[in-house]
Amino acid sequence: DGGITQSPKYLFRKEGQNVTLSCEQNLNHDAMYWYRQDPGQGLRLIYYSQIVNDFQKGDIAEGYSVSREKKESFPLTVTSAQKNPTAFYLCASSPLSGAGYYLAKNIQYFGAGTRLSVL
Amino acid sequence: DAKTTQPPSMDCAEGRAANLPCNHSTISGNEYVYWYRQIHSQGPQYIIHGLKNNETNEMASLIITEDRKSSTLILPHATLRDTAVYYCIVKRGGGADGLTFGKGTHLIIQP
Repeated sequence: DGGITQSPKYLFRKEGQNVTLSCEQNLNHDAMYWYRQDPGQGLRLIYYSQIVNDFQKGDIAEGYSVSREKKESFPLTVTSAQKNPTAFYLCASSPLSGAGYYLAKNIQYFGAGTRLSVL
Repeated sequence: DAKTTQPPSMDCAEGRAANLPCNHSTISGNEYVYWYRQIHSQGPQYIIHGLKNNETNEMASLIITEDRKSSTLILPHATLRDTAVYYCIVKRGGGADGLTFGKGTHLIIQP
């Protein structure tokens, strides 16, 4: 089955601890994204990556870090500097190569999310 | 990206057409209108997108006004599984930067 896999589904962080959320895709998509969602709110962009070994900050990157060592994987680390990490975290991917029609779509495909709570 | 305005919530009877409006009065000529939905505690799902022509796929229809300042997503025969938050997003085509999600419209399908 093709898709985006996020793990774990639920995660708990202790004070001062770094935690890493996993995101893997087998869609052969070039771009990958991390979003954060707080209750009753829309999604906010944390980081995104267009190619391996390159990524850009989104609107709320402070307290987070990412890596893109493989095309299929884009892990997100929530560091101890993120003082309010409790949220629903969503990973997405989208194709960037292909015909002009495909590029115009900018369609993103999302994983099922990881719910992070603070102990 | 242009800003969008959607009603916070709407009800629709099961089996009827659900019409979800979106205002985007500052849309630019190269910006598309995208619709996504998010069922409770799941990741968002792409529904449909358009530039200026009306579009239809197996999930929904998208009607864009001639001046492109507003659009309507139509779910032709709503079912209980269509209960979700629907997001209207305006964005230029192409590129790899992220999507800007507002609070969307919470559509509740009533039995």
